[in-house]
Amino acid sequence: GEDVEQSLFLSVREGDSSVINCTYTDSSSTYLYWYKQEPGAGLQLLTYIFSNMDMKQDQRLTVLLNKKDKHLSLRIADTQTGDSAIYFCAEGARDRGSTLGRLYFGRGTQLTVWP
Amino acid sequence: DARVTQTPRHKVTEMGQEVTMRCQPILGHNTVFWYRQTMMQGLELLAYFRNRAPLDDSGMPKDRFSAEMPDATLATLKIQPSEPRDSAVYFCASKIRDFETDTQYFGPGTRLTVL
Repeated sequence: GEDVEQSLFLSVREGDSSVINCTYTDSSSTYLYWYKQEPGAGLQLLTYIFSNMDMKQDQRLTVLLNKKDKHLSLRIADTQTGDSAIYFCAEGARDRGSTLGRLYFGRGTQLTVWP
Repeated sequence: DARVTQTPRHKVTEMGQEVTMRCQPILGHNTVFWYRQTMMQGLELLAYFRNRAPLDDSGMPKDRFSAEMPDATLATLKIQPSEPRDSAVYFCASKIRDFETDTQYFGPGTRLTVL
């Protein structure tokens, strides 16, 4: 996971937008993912983007992908206190051999939403 | 509502004791992962099985850790002897096929404390 980088902390006020950034390493990754981890729980897939897309929108979530800079971002509109969690960026397998299905995770960004 | 289950949810043990963590992947999933999460290291992949065969356990300390899948419905992770530095949350995840496009579903984790 050390090659997928994210900032560790982000604090926002309720109702504002949150933007969580990530840089990844492998330009050949087909999919890039965002996972969410709520306190005391496992990771849950939030959304993903196919590498030939620049943007994907899903309700309050917008994923932006800049392949040239290997930069991925997750924007949460109208952030709520319930969005407080750790958000992980992940990229797929770097070699296309036997470990096709594994993911490489960043360290996670702790999002804190203040009322 | 199919889920990955893990037992125990919490384990406190003394240094030198054997610890066994169990995971039941979602029925029909052929790929299973074990991860360890700590504040210092983030999320680390320990082991990775496809159709019960180990694909990659390079992230696992071999001298004390072992991972097996006795059958398709059970994955185990053992630590013997346990050490305080093994204190972490251990997650199991499964996916239906070992393809990049398939989602990893995480269990709730086992929080291990070694005194």
